Amino acid sequence: RKEVEQDPGPFNVPEGATVAFNCTYSNSASQSFFWYRQDCRKEPKLLMSVYSSGNEDGRFTAQLNRASQYISLLIRDSKLSDSATYLCVSSIGSGNTGKLIFGQGTTLQVKP
Amino acid sequence: NAGVTQTPKFRVLKTGQSMTLLCAQDMNHEYMYWYRQDPGMGLRLIHYSVGEGTTAKGEVPDGYNVSRLKKQNFLLGLESAAPSQTSVYFCASSYPRAGGPTEQYFGPGTRLTVT
Repeated sequence: RKEVEQDPGPFNVPEGATVAFNCTYSNSASQSFFWYRQDCRKEPKLLMSVYSSGNEDGRFTAQLNRASQYISLLIRDSKLSDSATYLCVSSIGSGNTGKLIFGQGTTLQVKP
Repeated sequence: NAGVTQTPKFRVLKTGQSMTLLCAQDMNHEYMYWYRQDPGMGLRLIHYSVGEGTTAKGEVPDGYNVSRLKKQNFLLGLESAAPSQTSVYFCASSYPRAGGPTEQYFGPGTRLTVT
């Protein structure tokens, strides 16, 4: 079983739609969780950190469910510019190396 | 601040040649990482460093060596390049935090082709 699993998609949605991505992680000791965005042939960039209480940034909402070991990302009112690959990320346990595990990514295509 | 920079951006090597990829960060981060990204494989950790003068193996270290002689620089070396090392290489950095790992900041990547 992969340590961080995501549905690769692609998710094809019209502009203005709401879309949700889920991801599961296998290490119950993981402490830090993130969503990154990666545009084609570019470096990953931090989209959001994921907190236990859930957090929202404009049209984006991230939630963490530790009991079920999954993380979600909700995008409301999708824009064409949201088309990208979204990487789900968790830390490797609670160690002090700063290491993160990246999922393979979920591809989103927003159509006009 | 430039953040994380990588040199070179592109490179084509012949099998058996050697090269060094340079990563530099100006954020005074303790931790630095080298990843490779291949289609369908996601980001895989090659080597990492938790401080100047220290390095450790990641998930896919074979065929690569690293050095961290200065805090701001992390070098990745390929001693004898193989076609299987054709990939996009990303460097990243982060800082320690008591509550758990922080986000990593990535460089723009180096696209390496080995023929």
